[in-house]
Amino acid sequence: EAGVAQSPRYKIIEKRQSVAFWCNPISGHATLYWYQQILGQGPKLLIQFQNNGVVDDSQLPKDRFSAERLKGVDSTLKIQPAKLEDSAVYLCASSLEGYYQETQYFGPGTRLLVL
Amino acid sequence: QKEVEQDPGPLSVPEGAIVSLNCTYSNSAFQYFMWYRQYSRKGPELLMYTYSSGNKEDGRFTAQVDKSSKYISLFIRDSQPSDSATYLCAMSARGNYQLIWGAGTKLIIKP
Repeated sequence: EAGVAQSPRYKIIEKRQSVAFWCNPISGHATLYWYQQILGQGPKLLIQFQNNGVVDDSQLPKDRFSAERLKGVDSTLKIQPAKLEDSAVYLCASSLEGYYQETQYFGPGTRLLVL
Repeated sequence: QKEVEQDPGPLSVPEGAIVSLNCTYSNSAFQYFMWYRQYSRKGPELLMYTYSSGNKEDGRFTAQVDKSSKYISLFIRDSQPSDSATYLCAMSARGNYQLIWGAGTKLIIKP
């Protein structure tokens, strides 16, 4: 079974530039999560999708971050414009149905450095 | 005060030692407790999952929950260099899908 795929693996940009990350979840998983993990901290949920719909985006900085899930499968997270404090690893995860006790399967993450 | 507290380490122990990793939490509504392992430059992977109080054992790993003290532990017996990773605790309340994560403890097992 293929795991969660993410690209790119690394990205370096200057502040005020824009950047986009892509995620392909495990086939058949209805729920997709985007997390931000700053060095030395646990993952912070940015947005959760259930199929096409948004379940929770309460911690997504909506003035600069946006996300979409195409046809309930792939997802893209965009930052525009980027700030220095956006430097982090962006993790995508998926789970079968999104219940609270379900296992979340993580991709390798995209490391973003904003200069 | 954070909802979940976890010592960041690093914790360095010799190969073969018993390792104890811990988290404390403040929300008494938490009922689902998980331990994830994260290798360098990888995403977290679920290691152990426990519901409510008690112990759960899986090979060399034992997860323990003490709800009265709001304290959870992960024990690793006969530790191996391949156990070197960051261990993250995560928990959630019944009816609330969102996981609350600890900051992670970096574990180093010296050969």
